[in-house]
Amino acid sequence: GPKVLQIPSHQIIDMGQMVTLNCDPVSNHLYFYWYKQILGQQMEFLVNFYNGKVMEKSKLFKDQFSVERPDGSYFTLKIQPTALEDSAVYFCASSSQANTEVFFGKGTRLTVV
Amino acid sequence: AQSVTQPDARVTVSEGASLQLRCKYSYSATPYLFWYVQYPRQGLQLLLKYYSGDPVVQGVNSFEAEFSKSNSSFHLQKASVHWSDSAVYFCALTLNNNNAPRFGAGTKLSVKP
Repeated sequence: GPKVLQIPSHQIIDMGQMVTLNCDPVSNHLYFYWYKQILGQQMEFLVNFYNGKVMEKSKLFKDQFSVERPDGSYFTLKIQPTALEDSAVYFCASSSQANTEVFFGKGTRLTVV
Repeated sequence: AQSVTQPDARVTVSEGASLQLRCKYSYSATPYLFWYVQYPRQGLQLLLKYYSGDPVVQGVNSFEAEFSKSNSSFHLQKASVHWSDSAVYFCALTLNNNNAPRFGAGTKLSVKP
């Protein structure tokens, strides 16, 4: 089936540094999402992105977070600067339309030390 | 604001037994409802979805769910579980204004052999 690829699968970064999480969504999808999951618990919505714009974001999407998808390449989540509480697994997802099945990647485990 | 509640953090059943995982939602109208499953170190995979019509929807691996408007519920069921069904199950909703899926806290299912 359709696959969302996330690169890298693990990343360790020093607190205060910048990190970019990369996502290769399903090729014909138009809607893109990031979610945050801590310790296998609730999947917390961060942001969704469509047509080059942030459509909605949650209060977890702090000012240090940004997303972009330049020229149809990777959909990225950038955190600058990172904080210890940013340690989590970040899942990228995409869908062809709103309110339809969302396809998830396997996640990037981010550890901020 | 809309929300999804999964009241059971953990459920343990014996292989071959029937299963019900509970999901309640809070929203004034009827949302789009989904059940996803997450296996260890994986992203979420869609089991089934409800948009409208027949309140009983069939999904993959013999799962089904029943929508109840009066109870604001969308419980997941399976007649006979297998050990491979052990995973975390998430209920989710989206609204008809194209927002991103919002997830419940998840229910960790353990199937005893």
